[in-house]
Amino acid sequence: KNEVEQSPQNLTAQEGEFITINCSYSVGISALHWLQQHPGGGIVSLFMLSSGKKKHGRLIATINIQEKHSSLHITASHPRDSAVYICAAIMDSNYQLIWGAGTKLIIKP
Amino acid sequence: EAQVTQNPRYLITVTGKKLTVTCSQNMNHEYMSWYRQDPGLGLRQIYYSMNVEVTDKGDVPEGYKVSRKEKRNFPLILESPSPNQTSLYFCASSFGRRNSPLHFGNGTRLTVT
Repeated sequence: KNEVEQSPQNLTAQEGEFITINCSYSVGISALHWLQQHPGGGIVSLFMLSSGKKKHGRLIATINIQEKHSSLHITASHPRDSAVYICAAIMDSNYQLIWGAGTKLIIKP
Repeated sequence: EAQVTQNPRYLITVTGKKLTVTCSQNMNHEYMSWYRQDPGLGLRQIYYSMNVEVTDKGDVPEGYKVSRKEKRNFPLILESPSPNQTSLYFCASSFGRRNSPLHFGNGTRLTVT
């Protein structure tokens, strides 16, 4: 069983829909990354958070350390949001990163 | 511009021919790491470095070498590439391992025939 689980694996939605991607983990962590990978490969860091909520434009990330769960939300989704979204947890024991498998998001116009 | 520069973007080589993928960052980051990404397996760490002359194995180090002689550079060396090392490789850097944003290079798509 993976220590970091993302859901759903794949998500297709219509432009304008509110999107939620979930990340659950089973180990103690100090913080969690959310990253975006567009087709063509480049990986971009979206958020790093250890508590509460962060917002950047239409993207919102939340984390509940005690419940071992984080979510990434996209409001007013757009086709350019189509990408793979990856969460990665920083273990608090040794600061190693444990990677989720990614969620492939497709936003249709 | 702050960036992680990785070269080459694409590389096709033959089994056994030594190759080096370069990675350089201009942000004075202490932590650098290499990942490979394969379909269905996600990102897996190959090696990482906490600072100059300090390197350590990640999850899949077999068949790879690294060096960190200068803070800005962290090359990945495949002494004798094999077809199972065909993959998409990423270099990443950050100020530290603990709570710092990660910066990624653009990736190197390696094919070993």
